[in-house]
Amino acid sequence: AQSVTQLDSHVSVSEGTPVLLRCNYSSSYSPSLFWYVQHPNKGLQLLLKYTSAATLVKGINGFEAEFKKSETSFHLTKPSAHMSDAAEYFCVVSDQSGGYNKLIFGAGTRLAVHP
Amino acid sequence: GAVVSQHPSWVICKSGTSVKIECRSLDFQATTMFWYRQFPKQSLMLMATSNEGSKATYEQGVEKDKFLINHASLTLSTLTVTSAHPEDSSFYICSARKTNNNEQFFGPGTRLTVL
Repeated sequence: AQSVTQLDSHVSVSEGTPVLLRCNYSSSYSPSLFWYVQHPNKGLQLLLKYTSAATLVKGINGFEAEFKKSETSFHLTKPSAHMSDAAEYFCVVSDQSGGYNKLIFGAGTRLAVHP
Repeated sequence: GAVVSQHPSWVICKSGTSVKIECRSLDFQATTMFWYRQFPKQSLMLMATSNEGSKATYEQGVEKDKFLINHASLTLSTLTVTSAHPEDSSFYICSARKTNNNEQFFGPGTRLTVL
């Protein structure tokens, strides 16, 4: 079965410093992986997705993630945090078994950005 | 764009009553829609997958007689929480998948509080 583990429940950074949100996955086949962001009282927004093309994936708002098969990781990074990046981030794997393309969510990482 | 709306955005009801939540894809047709539940400070858990014109597929542990799902058209799915109890209080989120596309687009969620 597919699963994802987000290694940090909370991450706190200062504005202008790099962001690293860690995610490890477990999959019996080549997975599709996603990062979503959830701002308070707003819908989930897709940041980026990996679907077996380039291992370094660039997303919106300056975020990117690198798929590392040897480490079963898909960490999310951003060179310089903005106050507006404060939100909940979910690492997600697609489960294609059973005939449906289901999304399996990690527990989430809450990112706080301080002035 | 691909916009998904939910109505209502929040609802308060008395224990024992039923509540209907609507999920609409506003600018695309969605053969498949998904219903998720999110408890405070927790991740999203898939409740069920619904395909237009057929019965929903429920995840293990989700009572299909309690959470009635209807996907009568390519732009509308409804979730009815029957005989709601306080433990059903949660944030319910839907997503819709475009026909011939694997990406899911999420609604803003509905917060249900059962007194």
